[in-house]
Amino acid sequence: EPEVTQTPSHQVTQMGQEVILRCVPISNHLYFYWYRQILGQKVEFLVSFYNNEISEKSEIFDDQFSVERPDGSNFTLKIRSTKLEDSAMYFCASSGGKTGGFPNYNEQFFGPGTRLTVL
Amino acid sequence: AQSVAQPEDQVNVAEGNPLTVKCTYSVSGNPYLFWYVQYPNRGLQFLLKYITGDNLVKGSYGFEAEFNKSQTSFHLKKPSALVSDSALYFCAVSGGKLIFGQGTELSVKP
Repeated sequence: EPEVTQTPSHQVTQMGQEVILRCVPISNHLYFYWYRQILGQKVEFLVSFYNNEISEKSEIFDDQFSVERPDGSNFTLKIRSTKLEDSAMYFCASSGGKTGGFPNYNEQFFGPGTRLTVL
Repeated sequence: AQSVAQPEDQVNVAEGNPLTVKCTYSVSGNPYLFWYVQYPNRGLQFLLKYITGDNLVKGSYGFEAEFNKSQTSFHLKKPSALVSDSALYFCAVSGGKLIFGQGTELSVKP
C-alpha cells in the first residue's frame, strides 16, 4: 500500500540554524501539506501546495518557512533560522483527486512525522 | 472561521463496551468532517469522512460517525471497543486544509 514517507525521523539543531525536512508524498497525489504538532497541543496547518505553488498558508508560516517540490517526488519544508519555539513534530500529508482548482475534500494521507528539536 | 471542539481530553472504556468520542464543529456553509487516529510515534491515519449523503458514516476498523446538523456534532462511535483501539483521536473540518480539534485520548481496558 502506498504511503507518505518522511526523513529524518528526528532532527536536532541549534537555534539559528537552517533545517530541511523532507517528504515523499504518494506518487499520484496532487495536493501536498505540512502540519506541525507542538508537544501536548493540537495539530496545526502550516501550508498547502498545489500545481507547484502555495495554495494556502497559515499565519504560522512566516518568512522563515519555505516549501519546495524540487524534483517531482520530494516535497520539502525549510526553516531558515530555527527558533526554540519551532520544536515540534512536523507532519507531511498528501491527497489525490482533481477538483478543477476547488478545495480538495479527499482524505489526506499523513507521513510518520519528523520530530524537530531546537536547542 | 471554521473550528472543531473535542470536549473530552480522555475517554475510558472497558473492552467490549460501546465507545463514543465527541466532536462538535462550527463552520459557515456545508461542513466537510473527518476523523483521524494517531498511535504512539506514528502519523495520523484516516478513519472516515462526511462530505454529503447519509448521516451515518462507516469507516475503518469498525468505527462509524454520526453527522447531526442540528446539534453541529460529528461523534465517533464503535459498538464494541478493543484494547487495540487505545490511541489519540482527532476530529477535523476541511476546506482544503484540515483544522483539527484538540484530540481525545481513548483508553480501552481489558
